[in-house]
Amino acid sequence: KQEVTQIPAALSVPEGENLVLNCSFTDSAIYNLQWFRQDPGKGLTSLLLIQSSQREQTSGRLNASLDKSSGRSTLYIAASQPGDSATYLCAVRFHPGTYKYIFGTGTRLKVLA
Amino acid sequence: EPEVTQTPSHQVTQMGQEVILRCVPISNHLYFYWYRQILGQKVEFLVSFYNNEISEKSEIFDDQFSVERPDGSNFTLKIRSTKLEDSAMYFCASSDTRGLYEQYFGPGTRLTVT
Repeated sequence: KQEVTQIPAALSVPEGENLVLNCSFTDSAIYNLQWFRQDPGKGLTSLLLIQSSQREQTSGRLNASLDKSSGRSTLYIAASQPGDSATYLCAVRFHPGTYKYIFGTGTRLKVLA
Repeated sequence: EPEVTQTPSHQVTQMGQEVILRCVPISNHLYFYWYRQILGQKVEFLVSFYNNEISEKSEIFDDQFSVERPDGSNFTLKIRSTKLEDSAMYFCASSDTRGLYEQYFGPGTRLTVT
């Protein structure tokens, strides 16, 4: 069964800290992986999409890496700010014949001022 | 920047009633999706739609659910006879047919079934 897991479930850090969020998936033959941010009661904002042939993608203070062989992706947030507080979701598209994403449960991040 | 929009933002309905959730995808996108998120749970895929037909659906998407693109801009999800367990946030998403089909999500419709 194709599953996506995110740990930790919640994380609280002081402002300015660099942090890493983890995503693991059961099938290494993924097509692509997308990281989203979700604010309470709101929709999903796309942060980064990383395709299976890539090892990493960067956008501003965010860097997503992908290691298919170990079934893992990480989202690195540099110099965290209180405005980064949100739930971060990892979603995997497992093969090109499907367009659906399978989501992880998310990591709820709180950055303390 | 183009975005996916959804209406209403919150819908309250009684059990057994029909509801229609509406979405306006990004204008040049051709793939459309519905997902739902029950409070405190994962976002779950319901259905994908392309070229005026369902391309994929999950086990959740049973005969109570239907989707339609009634005109060139709207994409709708109909729940024929709502149940208490249909209470959730429903997200519409769209993607284009180039590149990696990155999905862009709308703000969601919170459906409360009483």
